[in-house]
Amino acid sequence: KAGVTQTPRYLIKTRGQQVTLSCSPISGHRSVSWYQQTPGQGLQFLFEYFSETQRNKGNFPGRFSGRQFSNSRSEMNVSTLELGDSALYLCASSLITPGGTDTQYFGPGTRLTVL
Amino acid sequence: KQEVTQIPAALSVPEGENLVLNCSFTDSAIYNLQWFRQDPGKGLTSLLLIQSSQREQTSGRLNASLDKSSGRSTLYIAASQPGDSATYLCAVTGANSKLTFGKGITLSVRP
Repeated sequence: KAGVTQTPRYLIKTRGQQVTLSCSPISGHRSVSWYQQTPGQGLQFLFEYFSETQRNKGNFPGRFSGRQFSNSRSEMNVSTLELGDSALYLCASSLITPGGTDTQYFGPGTRLTVL
Repeated sequence: KQEVTQIPAALSVPEGENLVLNCSFTDSAIYNLQWFRQDPGKGLTSLLLIQSSQREQTSGRLNASLDKSSGRSTLYIAASQPGDSATYLCAVTGANSKLTFGKGITLSVRP
């Protein structure tokens, strides 16, 4: 069974631009969560989607948004990029919503660099 | 607000040593606790998941324990190997179903 895939793996953008990251969960998984990882803040929760609905949201500004499609694939968008948005963005999927008995499976991440 | 702490931030041990990685959390109202491994520049690999009703889980040379009432978990690695060198992260799942991570412990196992 294929794992969680994220595209692209690397991105370089300049301040003020916007970016869209994609995540394909493991087949059959309906929950997708997004996390930002930086050296200073560690791993921080961005949002979680389940059956195309955002169920939970972390403490990030409105420039960060996401969506989930009917096939459970998810995208996150960051508008008006800032230098501080440079990070590894990780996507995780699980069979049901996290908080149950299921492990979250993580993708390899997208490394975003904002110049 | 849940806070997860992992101390120390880095650890270096000689090959073959048994070691314990510690994790503490402030809110005991958790659904489960997971230990992850992260290699440089890579995603996270789940090592062990302990449900809130469980006390420990074992997988190979790894054993994780959970004491929910005291807000502590430990990851025991037996007979460490250079291939165990990585960052180990502890994360708890709360009532809002999101994972709260510690900042991780970077382990280096010297041959």
